[in-house]
Amino acid sequence: NAGVTQTPKFQVLKTGQSMTLQCAQDMNHEYMSWYRQDPGMGLRLIHYSVGAGITDQGEVPNGYNVSRSTTEDFPLRLLSAAPSQTSVYFCASSTDRGSYNEQFFGPGTRLTVL
Amino acid sequence: AQSVTQLDSQVPVFEEAPVELRCNYSSSVSVYLFWYVQYPNQGLQLLLKYLSGSTLVKGINGFEAEFNKSQTSFHLRKPSVHISDTAEYFCAVSTVQGGKLIFGQGTELSVKP
Repeated sequence: NAGVTQTPKFQVLKTGQSMTLQCAQDMNHEYMSWYRQDPGMGLRLIHYSVGAGITDQGEVPNGYNVSRSTTEDFPLRLLSAAPSQTSVYFCASSTDRGSYNEQFFGPGTRLTVL
Repeated sequence: AQSVTQLDSQVPVFEEAPVELRCNYSSSVSVYLFWYVQYPNQGLQLLLKYLSGSTLVKGINGFEAEFNKSQTSFHLRKPSVHISDTAEYFCAVSTVQGGKLIFGQGTELSVKP
């Protein structure tokens, strides 16, 4: 099992550019989520999905889009990058939406917006 | 709404010393509590979790945590730390009713020789 994989590991964008952060898991997990990590703020939930075709907003969804066409993949799209989106992005998955479940995290994508 | 406060942003300790990382939470309903660890340049991994039952929870790598409902705390402890425990530690809470996982700000543990 590869677990949760994320690409790219690093990315530099200019303000206004768009891009997609990729996330995939091979554990047949129903629940997937995207977090951003900023110094002194812990992890904040951006969007999540409870299964293919179902997504919902987290704490900080503005400026990001998601879709879930398959169980395995959960890409995060930045529509028009802004310097405030400079952060480390983590994708996570768990067996279902039960709040008692362990979440499995990918290695992260470090994004810089100039 | 739930919230989590980690009382120390940085904790420096010497190797083989004991350590306690403090976590307080706020919630009007029953909660599940978690500690995750993030080693440098890696994703987070679960150390331990409290769901119900015994208030003392043992996790991986010799860590344990105690759930104290009256003080709304879930402090993480290790009796003797190693250099390899240097990492950032996150306390997190979710509700029994199915709420999302809410993370604290993180505590950076630095173990010195």
